[in-house]
Amino acid sequence: DIQMTQSPSTLSASVGDRVTITCRASQSISSWLAWYQQKPGKAPKLLIYKASNLESGVPSRFSGSGSGTEFTLTISSLQPDDSATYYCQQYNSIQTFGQGTKLEIK
Amino acid sequence: EVQLLESGGDLVQPGGSLRLSCAASGFTFSSYAMSWVRQAPGKGLEWVSGISGSGGSTNYADSVKGRFTISRDNSKNTLDLQMSSLRAEDTAVYYCAKDRCVSASCYMGDWGQGTLVTVSS
Repeated sequence: DIQMTQSPSTLSASVGDRVTITCRASQSISSWLAWYQQKPGKAPKLLIYKASNLESGVPSRFSGSGSGTEFTLTISSLQPDDSATYYCQQYNSIQTFGQGTKLEIK
Repeated sequence: EVQLLESGGDLVQPGGSLRLSCAASGFTFSSYAMSWVRQAPGKGLEWVSGISGSGGSTNYADSVKGRFTISRDNSKNTLDLQMSSLRAEDTAVYYCAKDRCVSASCYMGDWGQGTLVTVSS
């Protein structure tokens, strides 16, 4: 199975900050990567698919980039509502998720 | 609007069985692959199983292979997960998800609210 490793595991930032979360795959997955946001007690929500495609309705401050084995999710100007855990997921083969990055607002 | 409503979660003893269901609406159910994804308490997401739109192709995580069976009824717009030989480590919230696929590469576009399965004596 392809292993997905996210960093950092936790992140604390202030409103207005630019935030970057990294996801690394144990082997190349081309651009078959999605990002999800999950708030406590809620189901995950799709943010980004195919590494850089923004899901309809998702604010444009979210963006994704990368290909091969290294990917990033960027929030250009952090908002209070962005406090959540973020997961990457590869779907090049049997789907696997990263361990998650918990983002807290200072 | 896509709606996915899971049911069937319960407290079950180790070694027991349970059947989860997901009622789908708001889209042409038979046109979409579907998945089950679980989340143990305080832990991350784990893909469990997936099924093609026709039901003719299924896949399972190694952790559940041979114990869980995914199925669908396209006439009733329902997705099921039959779980047997349950273990404590199967304790989790189980989510039903509508897949978006490019060939065999699928991610989860829409999610249900989840149903809790607790395996404990």
